[in-house]
Amino acid sequence: DIVMTQSPDSLAVSLGERATITCKSSQSLLYSSNNKNYLAWYQQKPGQPPKLLIYWASTRESGVPERFSGSGSGTDFTLTFTSLQAEDVAVYYCQQYHSTPITFGQGTRLEIK
Amino acid sequence: EVQLVESGGDLVQPGGSLRLSCAASGFTFSSHWMHWVRQAPGKGLVWVSRISPDGSSSQYADSVKGRFTIFRDNSQNTLYVQMNSLRAEDTAVYYCARGGDAARPDYFEYWGQGILVTVSS
Repeated sequence: DIVMTQSPDSLAVSLGERATITCKSSQSLLYSSNNKNYLAWYQQKPGQPPKLLIYWASTRESGVPERFSGSGSGTDFTLTFTSLQAEDVAVYYCQQYHSTPITFGQGTRLEIK
Repeated sequence: EVQLVESGGDLVQPGGSLRLSCAASGFTFSSHWMHWVRQAPGKGLVWVSRISPDGSSSQYADSVKGRFTIFRDNSQNTLYVQMNSLRAEDTAVYYCARGGDAARPDYFEYWGQGILVTVSS
């Protein structure tokens, strides 16, 4: 199974500041046949289902604000918030869809400082 | 508009059984892989199972293999999971999620609101 490890477990950032969450996979998520990384990021707010933010490691889902961006390749990935807003308070998960079993990171809780 | 609506959650005793349903609408159900993902109270997301568009292929997490069975009725646009030999550690909110089709793989654009399953005596 591919193990997904996020860091940090929690993060407190001031409004308007930049924040970064990292996700490391135990195996490469890059398929050489299409040069795509099979990595997605989700946001989950209390009492709600997860919301897809990023897929293919860096493609923003329709309607997701530009302040969210994803990057990385192979085994190391990041989710970056360029200017934190109050509504960004949530738990964030990375997910690999390279192979089954599909696996998620343990989650990173983002709070306002 | 894509909608996924779970039902069937309940309080059940250890060793008991339960069947969850997920009614889908707003898309061509028979073209997509469908998944169950669960989340224990205060914990993270855990993938449970998936089933192919035609229902001929399914995979399971090791933690539920042999106890849970995923199936679907494409004529009714409904996904199911039959959960047997339930344990306390199966207590969670269960989400159904739409997976990939012929053009895209299994990242989850759409999720249901979730349904709570509680296993306790």
